[in-house]
Amino acid sequence: TQLLEQSPQFLSIQEGENLTVYCNSSSVFSSLQWYRQEPGEGPVLLVTVVTGGEVKKLKRLTFQFGDARKDSSLHITAAQPGDTGLYLCAGHMEYGNKLVFGAGTILRVKS
Amino acid sequence: ETGVTQTPRHLVMGMTNKKSLKCEQHLGHNAMYWYKQSAKKPLELMFVYSLEERVENNSVPSRFSPECPNSSHLFLHLHTLQPEDSALYLCASSQDDSGLSPPQYFGPGTRLTVL
Repeated sequence: TQLLEQSPQFLSIQEGENLTVYCNSSSVFSSLQWYRQEPGEGPVLLVTVVTGGEVKKLKRLTFQFGDARKDSSLHITAAQPGDTGLYLCAGHMEYGNKLVFGAGTILRVKS
Repeated sequence: ETGVTQTPRHLVMGMTNKKSLKCEQHLGHNAMYWYKQSAKKPLELMFVYSLEERVENNSVPSRFSPECPNSSHLFLHLHTLQPEDSALYLCASSQDDSGLSPPQYFGPGTRLTVL
């Protein structure tokens, strides 16, 4: 059983569509991070959310941290082919400061 | 350019070979990490070094041996690996200040294939 469950595992959409990726856990995290990984590269940090209920926006990307700090979502508006990649959520455990990753969501945006 | 470099980018080795992966960070960070990334599985944390001391070893088989000679360099020595060890090995670094959730900066990875 994975500590962080991401859904969906794979998403293929047309350019201009909206989408939401989910990251869920039964554990509480002190913070949660979202990374994007492109083929042949390592993950790159997109955002860190710290406060329960926090919402952060990065251009067309909106990140939300659940009130109980157990889950998070990433919403992309008007997806572009450049958004294609593997999206990873990672949570800092409340005790010990260990970073735990989800398995990721593969997003493909077709033009 | 993320400031973390890894060599080699690709490695094919037999089960009886000995090889080493190298990671270098140019960010002045005080912590470095080795992760294993396999398809459809979460990143698996293998080793953590903080201030050049190993602080975590996640039950990794002894055929993987890390070395951190200074705060900028991290090695992963490999010997007598198994085919199931084939994966992308990622190095990362961060600046660990107590009480914060530091972002990790990743290298591009070494794609390892064990025949």
